[in-house]
Amino acid sequence: DSGVTQTPKHLITATGQRVTLRCSPRSGDLSVYWYQQSLDQGLQFLIQYYNGEERAKGNILERFSAQQFPDLHSELNLSSLELGDSALYFCASSERGHNEQFFGPGTRLTVL
Amino acid sequence: GQNIDQPTEMTATEGAIVQINCTYQTSGFNGLFWYQQHAGEAPTFLSYNVLDGLEEKGRFSSFLSRSKGYSYLLLKELQMKDSASYLCAVREGYGGGYNKLIFGAGTRLAVHP
Repeated sequence: DSGVTQTPKHLITATGQRVTLRCSPRSGDLSVYWYQQSLDQGLQFLIQYYNGEERAKGNILERFSAQQFPDLHSELNLSSLELGDSALYFCASSERGHNEQFFGPGTRLTVL
Repeated sequence: GQNIDQPTEMTATEGAIVQINCTYQTSGFNGLFWYQQHAGEAPTFLSYNVLDGLEEKGRFSSFLSRSKGYSYLLLKELQMKDSASYLCAVREGYGGGYNKLIFGAGTRLAVHP
C-alpha cells in the first residue's frame, strides 16, 4: 500500500458523459500527478500539481482538466467522453517536485 | 523529442539473472527511474539513477550512462513473483518543482521454473 488513495476503483459510463476521478496523496506529499494507461499506449503523463499550482503538463486533452485543492487532494475531470478514453487512470504523489513518485491503485474507466 | 526504448518481452528461468536494457533520448534529463508493475496494479518504485554508475538494492541493481543515453536493470536470483512489467522512466526536470516522468512502453518479463 503506497498511501495514495483513489476513488472510485471502477467507473462505467457512456460516450458523451462527464466523470470526476479523485485522488488523495500520501500524508505530507505536496505534488500530485495524473497518468493514463491504455493497452496500446503504456503509461502517459497527463499533468502535475505542486501545492495547488499546475507545474508540468503532458499531452492532456482539452476535454480533460484537473485541480489540486487546499487540502492537497486532487480531481481529474474528463468530459465529452469517447470510447478511446477507456483506460486505467493513475494518480501518484511525491514529497516535493523531484522525488520518486508513489502510485495509487488506479481508477479503471470504461466508456461504452 | 522524447524517445525511450526497451525490449517488449523477455523470458528467464527461476534463480537466474536477467538484464533489461533501456535507451533514451530526451531533453532536460534529470534522472532515470525503474518501476515494476504487475498486471492491473499500480507501478511500484524500484530504483533511481541520476549520476553515472551502478546502484545496488538487494536483488535489484540499476546502471546509468548519461553520455550513452543508456540504462539497465539487473535482477538476480529470479523468483516467480518477479514476473511483471518493468518500466523505464526518464525525468525531465527544469526546477521549481517541475517533475515530468516519461515512461517507456515497458518490458514484460516472464519467469518460468
